[in-house]
Amino acid sequence: EAGVAQSPRYKIIEKRQSVAFWCNPISGHATLYWYQQILGQGPKLLIQFQNNGVVDDSQLPKDRFSAERLKGVDSTLKIQPAKLEDSAVYLCASSSLVGSYNEQFFGPGTRLTVL
Amino acid sequence: RKEVEQDPGPFNVPEGATVAFNCTYSNSASQSFFWYRQDCRKEPKLLMSVYSSGNEDGRFTAQLNRASQYISLLIRDSKLSDSATYLCVVSEYGNKLVFGAGTILRVKS
Repeated sequence: EAGVAQSPRYKIIEKRQSVAFWCNPISGHATLYWYQQILGQGPKLLIQFQNNGVVDDSQLPKDRFSAERLKGVDSTLKIQPAKLEDSAVYLCASSSLVGSYNEQFFGPGTRLTVL
Repeated sequence: RKEVEQDPGPFNVPEGATVAFNCTYSNSASQSFFWYRQDCRKEPKLLMSVYSSGNEDGRFTAQLNRASQYISLLIRDSKLSDSATYLCVVSEYGNKLVFGAGTILRVKS
């Protein structure tokens, strides 16, 4: 079974530029998550989708971050404009259900460097 | 106060040693508890779930104390391949995971 796919794996941009990340979850997984992991910290949930609806975006900096999952499958996360403090690894995860615990499977992440 | 707190380490231990990690969590309504393992520059992967009755998976034993809001992980007979960051994780409503910052383990020959 294929795992969670993410692209690009690495991205270097200058502050105030825009960037987008893509995620394709495990086939059949209804729930998709985006996490931000800053060096030396644990992953922090940015947004959680159930199919194409948002379940939790309470920690998403909505003035600059946006995410969508239009067809309930793959998802994009955008930052516009980027700040230096956005340098981090952006992890996508998916699980089969929400409501009761189901294991989340993580993709390899996109490492973003903002100069 | 952080929601999940861990000693960042690093813990430097020789092969064959027993090592224990602890963490505390602040939300008494947390529903499920886990240890994840994260290798350098890799994604986190579930190591094991944690139950109040304690559970064991080979050389790994996890324990939960709900009254003290405390989670532990014990690794016996450490291997070089156990070197990684161990993330303490609690699950809140709706499958939301809250991660600690991780404890670094380095096993040396």
